[in-house]
Amino acid sequence: QSVLTQPPSASGTPGQMVTISCSGSRSNIGSATVNWYQQLPGTAPKLLIYSNSQRPSGVPDRFSASKSGTSASLAISGLQSEDEADYYCEAWDESLHGGVFGFGGGTKLTVL
Amino acid sequence: QITLKESGPTLVKPTQTLTLTCTFSGFSLSTDVVDIVGVGWIRQPPGKALEWLALIYRNDDKRYSPSLKSRLTITKDTSKKQVVLTMADMDPVDTATYYCAHRREGYSYGSGAFDIWGQGTMVTVAS
Repeated sequence: QSVLTQPPSASGTPGQMVTISCSGSRSNIGSATVNWYQQLPGTAPKLLIYSNSQRPSGVPDRFSASKSGTSASLAISGLQSEDEADYYCEAWDESLHGGVFGFGGGTKLTVL
Repeated sequence: QITLKESGPTLVKPTQTLTLTCTFSGFSLSTDVVDIVGVGWIRQPPGKALEWLALIYRNDDKRYSPSLKSRLTITKDTSKKQVVLTMADMDPVDTATYYCAHRREGYSYGSGAFDIWGQGTMVTVAS
């Protein structure tokens, strides 16, 4: 069972905006930064967003994210077919054993 | 340029111990560098979500998934630039792709991200 909760699926048509939520608690999202990863089919995950809303070099500005309280969200604007992938949120959880890491259950994004 | 590559057996029998090695380049886990850097292991059963397993920092601080802590051991060999994960008492439910990833922290533990990932290695547990 994942520490962070994500919807299992999301979908949109090309050009649309899609948002993916990530819900946690005070001990993780509520007190730590959130990262987002994109996993294209058959490949390793790739860091998409770090520190709640920062994009690594090379990530298009169509991808944005935010955090509020114990929830975070990833937004993808101008949806493209190549955005079809699984998306995971991740955060440090300070409540257990001095601090551990947790991932969300993942959201499968389908571009219709 | 940071790279990581996982290696180990593709097939293990139930009850055996799995040993995976992550060989990395482009950074060091020696303690003579100030920034907080570590290497973590994450697994993904076929068709399922990512699950964090363990992480070792440069200063040898080790963190384990609470649910798997009793079965995991993570160590580092700074001179070989390797991180080794052992998982005892393997079961078919442990069948998964195992990834190692570089983590650079920011101002404190947990403030960073897994910024570079290995390609992963698939491990099947079957008799």
